Amino acid sequence: EVQLVESGGGLVQPGGSLRLSCAASGFTFNRFLMSWVRQAPGKGLEWVANIEEDGSEKYYVDSVKGRFTISRDNAKNSLSLQMNSLRAEDTAVYYCVRDGRGGSSWPRGDYWGQGTLVTVSS
Amino acid sequence: DIQMTQSPSSLSASVGDRVTITCQASQDIRNSLNWYQQKAGKAPKLLIYDASDIQTGVPSRFSGSGSGTDFTFTISSLQPEDIATYYCQQYDKLPHTFGQGTKLEIK
Repeated sequence: EVQLVESGGGLVQPGGSLRLSCAASGFTFNRFLMSWVRQAPGKGLEWVANIEEDGSEKYYVDSVKGRFTISRDNAKNSLSLQMNSLRAEDTAVYYCVRDGRGGSSWPRGDYWGQGTLVTVSS
Repeated sequence: DIQMTQSPSSLSASVGDRVTITCQASQDIRNSLNWYQQKAGKAPKLLIYDASDIQTGVPSRFSGSGSGTDFTFTISSLQPEDIATYYCQQYDKLPHTFGQGTKLEIK
């Protein structure tokens, strides 16, 4: 069974940092792209970042470029999101998402974690 | 960035009704479109990928169509458990943008 379990959310002051983690199991982690998607309270979904299977390429939405860093440890089946210089508008539930396999027709976004809440407030 | 315009933003329908949601992309995205269902307090669930392919385990009353810039999501016979918010998402170009969502309610 595919499982994605996020952790690391919490309350942080503006300008602070937080590191989110996602533990993956039930599939061959190093064969899949992975993404982070967030959802502000009561709002819609926003794609944040993704990373290729081997970690060689990473992409970010403009609003987090230079502040957030996505990474993965294929030996530990783990995805991370380092968030620096946090702002009130980064407050959201952050989801870890399995995002398909490059060069194939594998469905993108087929598995999501339960999410972890990040609250940026003083 | 590609803008995804989803309509309507909310919808009220009766059990057994046919329900249709549309999604329009600001540029050609071929068939690179997902449809998700999100129930209150839960993570989104993939229903349709590549615009018209149904994800494994999803009931056949859900379907999708379209290509290029115009897409349609249909529930052929609305069931009470379909109460949720539905989102489209394009994955043709980064960033992989979402529509603003359609909140579906039962009359």
